[in-house]
Amino acid sequence: KQEVTQIPAALSVPEGENLVLNCSFTDSAIYNLQWFRQDPGKGLTSLLLIQSSQREQTSGRLNASLDKSSGRSTLYIAASQPGDSATYLCAVRPTFSSGSARQLTFGSGTQLTVLP
Amino acid sequence: GAVVSQHPSWVICKSGTSVKIECRSLDFQATTMFWYRQFPKQSLMLMATSNEGSKATYEQGVEKDKFLINHASLTLSTLTVTSAHPEDSSFYICSAKGFMSAYTEAFFGQGTRLTVV
Repeated sequence: KQEVTQIPAALSVPEGENLVLNCSFTDSAIYNLQWFRQDPGKGLTSLLLIQSSQREQTSGRLNASLDKSSGRSTLYIAASQPGDSATYLCAVRPTFSSGSARQLTFGSGTQLTVLP
Repeated sequence: GAVVSQHPSWVICKSGTSVKIECRSLDFQATTMFWYRQFPKQSLMLMATSNEGSKATYEQGVEKDKFLINHASLTLSTLTVTSAHPEDSSFYICSAKGFMSAYTEAFFGQGTRLTVV
């Protein structure tokens, strides 16, 4: 059974700092990995999706990397801003052979606070 | 990206009553919809997967008679919490995938905060 772990559970940084959020998964048979942002009491906003064949994806100040063989992904946020404060969730989707419904398995998230 | 709308965004109901939550895909046909539950400071836990026109597949430990899921059309799925109790209070989120996105991403609704008093 796939397990997704995110460390740290919470992180507080001053504005302008670069930071890295970590995600690890136990089963490397994934089809893709996705990073989401969740604001309090809100749904999920997809940030980046990395296919299993890819190493990284970039969008603006965000860069996500994937090392499938070691079961790890990182989300790098450059020049953090108070508006980046939210919970960041990573989720993995299994390959066809290992998950018939191909549903996402989520980590528990990292709650990020960027202090002005 | 595609748009998934959930309604209502929040609801308060009395213990013992039933509550229906709707999940709509606004600009694509959702062949598969997923229902998740999220407790405070915890991750999303998949409750069930529904495919249009067929019965939902429930995850282990989820009572199918309590959480009724109907996916009658390609743009609408509903989750009905029957005989709700305070322990059912939670944040419920749906996501939807279209046929062409079977292996890519699902799009998420904005969630429904259910409070049972």
